[in-house]
Amino acid sequence: DADVTQTPRNRITKTGKRIMLECSQTKGHDRMYWYRQDPGLGLRLIYYSFDVKDINKGEISDGYSVSRQAQAKFSLSLESAIPNQTALYFCATSDLGTGRRETQYFGPGTRLLVL
Amino acid sequence: GQQLNQSPQSMFIQEGEDVSMNCTSSSIFNTWLWYKQDPGEGPVLLIALYKAGELTSNGRLTAQFGITRKDSFLNISASIPSDVGIYFCAGQFTGNQFYFGTGTSLTVIP
Repeated sequence: DADVTQTPRNRITKTGKRIMLECSQTKGHDRMYWYRQDPGLGLRLIYYSFDVKDINKGEISDGYSVSRQAQAKFSLSLESAIPNQTALYFCATSDLGTGRRETQYFGPGTRLLVL
Repeated sequence: GQQLNQSPQSMFIQEGEDVSMNCTSSSIFNTWLWYKQDPGEGPVLLIALYKAGELTSNGRLTAQFGITRKDSFLNISASIPSDVGIYFCAGQFTGNQFYFGTGTSLTVIP
């Protein structure tokens, strides 16, 4: 499995604050993703990047921004946090294998609480 | 965005019983993935399927890629307490984003 790390693992912040969640991977995968998970809902895609120069919005990108600093690093920012952004956030990586077969590997998650 | 229909939402079973769950989509996929998530942790990949009709095993777990390419199934045989967790399916049409099911919560009663 890809070694995907996320920092911080837990974060409490206040409404209006700017925060950054960081993701690093050591497997050399080109593709990186940010998802959020809410109770009763599946994972929903916030942003994704297929390489360092490629950034794409997912289905719920409003209120978020990202930065792909290097192949191994993909950061998610909340410019002005609001309570409904309280959720579990996951970073994932993938690479196209033989026959364009893609498999995603997830980090351990960041639990964010916005007060 | 598309979400996959995963059923059942939850299961309570006796240790030693077999478990079946499935995932359906309104769209055709080329890839189906199955994950397990423990509380407070990230999803861990269990099985990957890349071909319609494909049947793949990983220990006591067996998953199948439906021949219509719109569904997938996961079976767990002879369940044990450590099988407890939430199981997610994910589907993808090659090159596009992955879509996820809402999960099946499994409780194994010793």
